[in-house]
Amino acid sequence: GQNIDQPTEMTATEGAIVQINCTYQTSGFNGLFWYQQHAGEAPTFLSYNVLDGLEEKGRFSSFLSRSKGYSYLLLKELQMKDSASYLCAVRDRYGNKLVFGAGTILRVKS
Amino acid sequence: EAGVAQSPRYKIIEKRQSVAFWCNPISGHATLYWYQQILGQGPKLLIQFQNNGVVDDSQLPKDRFSAERLKGVDSTLKIQPAKLEDSAVYLCASSSSTSGTRVRFFGPGTRLTVL
Repeated sequence: GQNIDQPTEMTATEGAIVQINCTYQTSGFNGLFWYQQHAGEAPTFLSYNVLDGLEEKGRFSSFLSRSKGYSYLLLKELQMKDSASYLCAVRDRYGNKLVFGAGTILRVKS
Repeated sequence: EAGVAQSPRYKIIEKRQSVAFWCNPISGHATLYWYQQILGQGPKLLIQFQNNGVVDDSQLPKDRFSAERLKGVDSTLKIQPAKLEDSAVYLCASSSSTSGTRVRFFGPGTRLTVL
């Protein structure tokens, strides 16, 4: 089975940097995804990590440590529009099943 | 490129009634998924199709839920009869089988309320 843990809620200030952590325990691993989901909308793909290290994409970066079962999503220069739920999802060894965490609700305040 | 289309966007029914949702994936995507997202939780996979064949339906409550993808493109998900605990957003997603990452692209979802 798979277990994915993320903080339930976080609050940060506009212009700041925030790190959203995700830890996982899985019977197999073949990649970790981060999705952004605004209230009432569909999840949209942010990043994918399959090897250890940092992947940077504009204001968003994602880090993975497979040995520690740990990932984080780093958001820089926060904007009000970044207020959303951030979902961590792990893909199983065979690549068929993607298991999602419950998501972290990020509130950006001015 | 058009995204994943779903209809209806909202549906309110009474328990024990039946309901159906429709999904049209991104053109050329062979893999189609139906997820259930209960408020405050992440999406949970109900069923995965590869073309018109079922790859994984291990979490589909088969006594009341059914899904089909007859021509390998559009798909329908049906609930019959509905229970109160079926209130959720039903998300359809698709992915390209030629892509190594298999990123799931989601539709806008159908919000189901069972009274």
